Amino acid sequence: DGGITQSPKYLFRKEGQNVTLSCEQNLNHDAMYWYRQDPGQGLRLIYYSQIVNDFQKGDIAEGYSVSREKKESFPLTVTSAQKNPTAFYLCASSFQGDTEAFFGQGTRLTVV
Amino acid sequence: GESVGLHLPTLSVQEGDNSIINCAYSNSASDYFIWYKQESGKGPQFIIDIRSNMDKRQGQRVTVLLNKTVKHLSLQIAATQPGDSAVYFCAEERDSSYKLIFGSGTRLLVRP
Repeated sequence: DGGITQSPKYLFRKEGQNVTLSCEQNLNHDAMYWYRQDPGQGLRLIYYSQIVNDFQKGDIAEGYSVSREKKESFPLTVTSAQKNPTAFYLCASSFQGDTEAFFGQGTRLTVV
Repeated sequence: GESVGLHLPTLSVQEGDNSIINCAYSNSASDYFIWYKQESGKGPQFIIDIRSNMDKRQGQRVTVLLNKTVKHLSLQIAATQPGDSAVYFCAEERDSSYKLIFGSGTRLLVRP
């Protein structure tokens, strides 16, 4: 089955540690996106990538890093520089030039 | 599952009634709009979209209306069912940038 998969579903991190969230898609989509969701707020764009080996900052990129070495994969690293990392993180993908995005099931990150 | 928003505006409707969820957007340059449905702890699912050269678009049990004069978007759900209970987000694409800007969402509760 084609789809977009995020793992893990729940993730706990100690303060000061980096953590990487996985996002894989087998939809042959060119573009991939990372969003952050906080209670009472809409989704905010962290990073996006239109093609392999290229990515751009979104609206809230500080404290995050990404890589796009393969078309299928767009991992997000939450670094220790991110001051308030506890949130629900959503990965999405789409065909280039097509804004309709398909979302993963999300990863809930909690800093303990 | 995790709640996607603890302080969202809430619309409560009786099962079988019609629901209308509203969304205001701020950028008159936005030219593409999408409605997403998000159930608790899951990623958003595409419902329906509309381009700025249209005023109305219908899907199965759903209708989206766009009023560009007042920058207002609405989602109408006919014969609301318990499975429609979720948080609904509108999203806009600005200037054909392929980036979506999401609203803060509305929680729909369907009373049996």
